[in-house]
Amino acid sequence: DTAVSQTPKYLVTQMGNDKSIKCEQNLGHDTMYWYKQDSKKFLKIMFSYNNKELIINETVPNRFSPKSPDKAHLNLHINSLELGDSAVYFCASSQVGGDYGYTFGSGTRLTVV
Amino acid sequence: GENVEQHPSTLSVQEGDSAVIKCTYSDSASNYFPWYKQELGKRPQLIIDIRSNVGEKKDQRIAVTLNKTAKHFSLHITETQPEDSAVYFCAASGTSYDKVIFGPGTSLSVIP
Repeated sequence: DTAVSQTPKYLVTQMGNDKSIKCEQNLGHDTMYWYKQDSKKFLKIMFSYNNKELIINETVPNRFSPKSPDKAHLNLHINSLELGDSAVYFCASSQVGGDYGYTFGSGTRLTVV
Repeated sequence: GENVEQHPSTLSVQEGDSAVIKCTYSDSASNYFPWYKQELGKRPQLIIDIRSNVGEKKDQRIAVTLNKTAKHFSLHITETQPEDSAVYFCAASGTSYDKVIFGPGTSLSVIP
């Protein structure tokens, strides 16, 4: 029974396309996140939602738009994909903010060609 | 904002030896310091964490130490095994809902 699940696991798409990544958690956590892991393995936060409310919005191009229909789901929509968007995107969840440890999803490897 | 540095970036040890990874952070308000292990192609997983009111914490072969004055914290792995080979990330965060800032990672290789 997967705690944090992301779909799809792999995504290969052409420049200029629009794509979405979905994330769901069944842990009952209040806070969900999107992190981007680049080719050098660096993990950088993009967004954070607490109980459907956006609380962290890092300096991310506005082509990236998160949506949280309820506290168990956090989706990421990306418009007009660029080569530099290629990375692994991790969803994560935690209880009461980041200082109780994250549970990460399995990641979505996005390749823009 | 918070900045977390991590050293070394790569570390090779013989099986059975100890491994130490060191991190520094910049924001004195940070009070939670987790460590994550990421095996190749897998998700990062929390392996141990420490809060600012504690100086040391141990869980079997892994231990973490924190020096708040110097803003340093370290991960110690004893009796290393090949399955310890992975990328290890230290991280720091402040108040609730504050973002967790990750260090750049240390790639640990344990040679049988």
